[in-house]
Amino acid sequence: ELKVEQNPLFLSMQEGKNYTIYCNYSTTSDRLYWYRQDPGKSLESLFVLLSNGAVKQEGRLMASLDTKARLSTLHITAAVHDLSATYFCAVDTGRRALTFGSGTRLQVQP
Amino acid sequence: DAGVIQSPRHEVTEMGQEVTLRCKPISGHDYLFWYRQTMMRGLELLIYFNNNVPIDDSGMPEDRFSAKMPNASFSTLKIQPSEPRDSAVYFCASRTSSGPYEQYFGPGTRLTVT
Repeated sequence: ELKVEQNPLFLSMQEGKNYTIYCNYSTTSDRLYWYRQDPGKSLESLFVLLSNGAVKQEGRLMASLDTKARLSTLHITAAVHDLSATYFCAVDTGRRALTFGSGTRLQVQP
Repeated sequence: DAGVIQSPRHEVTEMGQEVTLRCKPISGHDYLFWYRQTMMRGLELLIYFNNNVPIDDSGMPEDRFSAKMPNASFSTLKIQPSEPRDSAVYFCASRTSSGPYEQYFGPGTRLTVT
């Protein structure tokens, strides 16, 4: 059974600081996705990573994928309050559906 | 495009009642997924369809749950009879069969069973 683990589960950080969220998964996959969810809202796609070594950046967020280590990271640079949300990674193992991590709740303090 | 459309957005019902959730995928998408989100269990896949055919329903909790996709633009998830433990947010998502295989989520239906 595929397991997707994120850490930390909760992250409180100050504006302007950098931090990284980690996503480990237990079986081979070369498709990994990052989503953002604001409280009471739906999931918004952030990044699609489709190969080993893939790196995507959007604003203060950068995601990378290491399929050999079965690890993806979401790096936050110079955090701002607007980034406060829950971030999920999700893995597609070929079933065509996604298995989600537990989510990382990010709180950026002014 | 209007995105994935779900209705109702909120549903409050009593235990034992039948509940029907509805989803309209993005036009041209041939995969449709139903997920459930709870605090305890996170996001779980319930069932998914490809070209209107159910492919994997192993996530459906029990026989009280059923899902149909009568055509490419409409799907339902039915719970009969509903129980308090079914209270959750139910999301529908869709995607195409060509890359990058990104799933687009609807706004969700918040179900409360009292």
